[in-house]
Amino acid sequence: TQLLEQSPQFLSIQEGENLTVYCNSSSVFSSLQWYRQEPGEGPVLLVTVVTGGEVKKLKRLTFQFGDARKDSSLHITAAQPGDTGLYLCAGVGSPYRGSQGNLIFGKGTKLSVKP
Amino acid sequence: EAQVTQNPRYLITVTGKKLTVTCSQNMNHEYMSWYRQDPGLGLRQIYYSMNVEVTDKGDVPEGYKVSRKEKRNFPLILESPSPNQTSLYFCASRSSGRTYQETQYFGPGTRLLVL
Repeated sequence: TQLLEQSPQFLSIQEGENLTVYCNSSSVFSSLQWYRQEPGEGPVLLVTVVTGGEVKKLKRLTFQFGDARKDSSLHITAAQPGDTGLYLCAGVGSPYRGSQGNLIFGKGTKLSVKP
Repeated sequence: EAQVTQNPRYLITVTGKKLTVTCSQNMNHEYMSWYRQDPGLGLRQIYYSMNVEVTDKGDVPEGYKVSRKEKRNFPLILESPSPNQTSLYFCASRSSGRTYQETQYFGPGTRLLVL
């Protein structure tokens, strides 16, 4: 069974601070996605990383895929209250599950950024 | 506007009373799926469909049924709901489910309470 462990589970910080969220697994994934979910809404895709060691930037957010494609991190620089939400990582399942398309989600990191 | 719609958004029902949650997408996507989201457990896949008339079980299929008679619709059926099916449900779709970089679009969620 493929599992994704996210840490920390909760994070409360002040505006302007930096933070990093981690997503780890003992399994290799074809790719990994990061989503952000706001209360009362469905998750929205932020980024997909595919290649081991890949780094992608989205404004103040930096996403990295581990060299072995088993882990990923999300770093936010100078967090703002608008960054508040639930951040989810999701690995694309391996072919042995019968479908390359199924996503395996971590349990999420609930981020609160206080003004 | 590309979107996934779900109805109803909120539902209170009683044990054993059959219900259907509808899901529709306007992006001509082949792949659709249903998730449930519970505190501490994250997003778990219930069923998915790779195309019309092709459905398969996800990680937590017990107590649920689905059908895919048309490409755009993927209803979730609870034949005899029980309190442990109280949850937040999300429908999602993506282009084909066969590549590693597709964007998965989520509906706004259906909050179900089974008394």
